Amino acid sequence: SQQGEEDPQALSIQEGENATMNCSYKTSINNLQWYRQNSGRGLVHLILIRSNEREKHSGRLRVTLDTSKKSSSLLITASRAADTASYFCATVPRDNFNKFYFGSGTKLNVKP
Amino acid sequence: EAGVTQFPSHSVIEKGQTVTLRCDPISGHDNLYWYRRVMGKEIKFLLHFVKESKQDESGMPNNRFLAERTGGTYSTLKVQPAELEDSGVYFCASSQGGGFAGNTIYFGEGSWLTVV
Repeated sequence: SQQGEEDPQALSIQEGENATMNCSYKTSINNLQWYRQNSGRGLVHLILIRSNEREKHSGRLRVTLDTSKKSSSLLITASRAADTASYFCATVPRDNFNKFYFGSGTKLNVKP
Repeated sequence: EAGVTQFPSHSVIEKGQTVTLRCDPISGHDNLYWYRRVMGKEIKFLLHFVKESKQDESGMPNNRFLAERTGGTYSTLKVQPAELEDSGVYFCASSQGGGFAGNTIYFGEGSWLTVV
C-alpha cells in the first residue's frame, strides 16, 4: 500500500498542551500535505511541505519531513479545544502528481 | 468565490437502491477528484477528471460505480445498486493546475452515504 499511516490513531490532551502526530509513507514523494477534518465536515488543507524541504511553519503548526525515514510529523502548539478534529497526512507520489494517498488519520481530542 | 459544493450532504438509502452524488467544483478548475472514506478507514482515491475526460479511474471499486462529468463542469457519481459496504463519506475535490506539486486541492464538505 502506498497510503500514509498516521500515528497515534487517537490522541487526547489538555488545552494548552502540544500535540504531535506522525505520518509514515512508503514511496518517493513530490510533496506531503496535512489536512484537518472536523466531525461531519470536509477536509481543510493545513500545510504543504515539498520533498526538498525539512521544516515548515504556519501559525501554531510546525511540520517536519524526513525523506530518508519516509516520515513526517505535525506539531500543534498551545492546543485549543477548537483543534479537536481528525488529522490526515496525504502524500503526492513523485511519479504521479494527480493522486493523493491518505492515511486513516489521527483523531485529536483537546479537552478544555 | 464559492468552494467545492456537494449534494446531497447526507443520504440514507436501502440496499439495492440507486444514489447519485453531485459535485460542483470551483469555477475554472479543470481537475476534479472523487475520494471516499468508509468505516473510519483511510481516505481512498476513486478517480480523476481533467475537464470531461477520465484521467485515472483506477480507484473505482467495481462496476456499480459510475462517474461522469459532462461538459467538464459538475460531476456525478452514481452507485447502482448500493451495497452495505458502500456506506461512508464521499469527498469531491478540485484544483486549478494539473498536478499537485505546489497546487492546493480544495475539498468539498462530503456526501455522507448510509446504506441500510
